[in-house]
Amino acid sequence: GNSVTQMEGPVTLSEEAFLTINCTYTATGYPSLFWYVQYPGEGLQLLLKATKADDKGSNKGFEATYRKETTSFHLEKGSVQVSDSAVYFCALSDRDGLTFGKGITLSVRP
Amino acid sequence: KAGVTQTPRYLIKTRGQQVTLSCSPISGHRSVSWYQQTPGQGLQFLFEYFSETQRNKGNFPGRFSGRQFSNSRSEMNVSTLELGDSALYLCASSSSGGGDTQYFGPGTRLTVL
Repeated sequence: GNSVTQMEGPVTLSEEAFLTINCTYTATGYPSLFWYVQYPGEGLQLLLKATKADDKGSNKGFEATYRKETTSFHLEKGSVQVSDSAVYFCALSDRDGLTFGKGITLSVRP
Repeated sequence: KAGVTQTPRYLIKTRGQQVTLSCSPISGHRSVSWYQQTPGQGLQFLFEYFSETQRNKGNFPGRFSGRQFSNSRSEMNVSTLELGDSALYLCASSSSGGGDTQYFGPGTRLTVL
């Protein structure tokens, strides 16, 4: 079946540092790929998405590129802020719905 | 447009009881999916409803059930609650399901004592 693997966390960075969160997937066919973010006490918010190979999703300074050859969808941001502290989930979507990675907690220090 | 709403936001129940959670999707969305989030298991898919029919189901026991009404609102029911059912239950809606983008509600925090 489909699966999503995220790098182990948590991750702690200083403000303005560069962020990379790795995500790889296993799927049949060509799923859509997503990054969701969850702030404390809240539900999931869509951060960005890509629906086909080589697509780049971007939002709020975050970017991720759908790499079919490496089955990856790594999340990057050039300069993180304290307000980016949250849990980040990589997910893939196919006809059966969303399959999520385990999530990774990001803490950004001032 | 208003987002996905879920009620209640918090619930405390005791073992053996049953519970019903409610979800109102974004206006115009016909697909509603339910997920369970726990620290140990992460986010797990429960089921998806589309046009009042269950279209997909995850790997959960029959104590977990749901339904969808003609206005696309959905309810989820858990009978004979167990301690392990304590979780955040998230509802998500999309225009037609499948690979469409899903938009999540704030969740219902269920605690089973």
